Amino acid sequence: GIQVEQSPPDLILQEGANSTLRCNFSDSVNNLQWFHQNPWGQLINLFYIPSGTKQNGRLSATTVATERYSLLYISSSQTTDSGVYFCATGWALNFGKGTSLLVTP
Amino acid sequence: SAVISQKPSRDICQRGTSLTIQCQVDSQVTMMFWYRQQPGQSLTLIATANQGSEATYESGFVIDKFPISRPNLTFSTLTVSNMSPEDSSIYLCSAAKTRRSSGNTIYFGEGSWLTVV
Repeated sequence: GIQVEQSPPDLILQEGANSTLRCNFSDSVNNLQWFHQNPWGQLINLFYIPSGTKQNGRLSATTVATERYSLLYISSSQTTDSGVYFCATGWALNFGKGTSLLVTP
Repeated sequence: SAVISQKPSRDICQRGTSLTIQCQVDSQVTMMFWYRQQPGQSLTLIATANQGSEATYESGFVIDKFPISRPNLTFSTLTVSNMSPEDSSIYLCSAAKTRRSSGNTIYFGEGSWLTVV
């Protein structure tokens, strides 16, 4: 199956800082999604983004399908952004190992 | 969006027993899936729940251990059978909807946190 690699594995930010999370995938995909798992385990769908760029408030994502990577940008981070960010591909989602983000006050 | 309800949300189970997790979606969906997330790990797909037929299991998961039902387009159950401490995980139900604007968007329930003692 398609390999999904995320970086960095861990990230600590001070509130207000910006960050970029990366997702590399080993083959062409027609479905790529970003999720946020909060500390209580709830998974929230952030973006469906097989290609192009989307923005939602302080979050935006870009997928360059021809180069097999996707980026998630978090601007002006807040403590509520803490949790694990996953990218996943495929119809029945194949997940990366995630980036664990901690935003400190 | 889709609202997905799972129950139980949390349980402590005795070794050797079985537990059934229920998943209810608020609208008809094309596909339903079950995932396992072991402590500190990513999500692993257990199976695709097929309406009216046997589930499709991923490598490493078998029907005897994880029987799944999907009697209609909005409901599915996962049973974790003959549990051992290694089965302690979060079990998540998900549902897929296809829209022209958002593609194949997948939504998740809140998860069922199982601890086997």
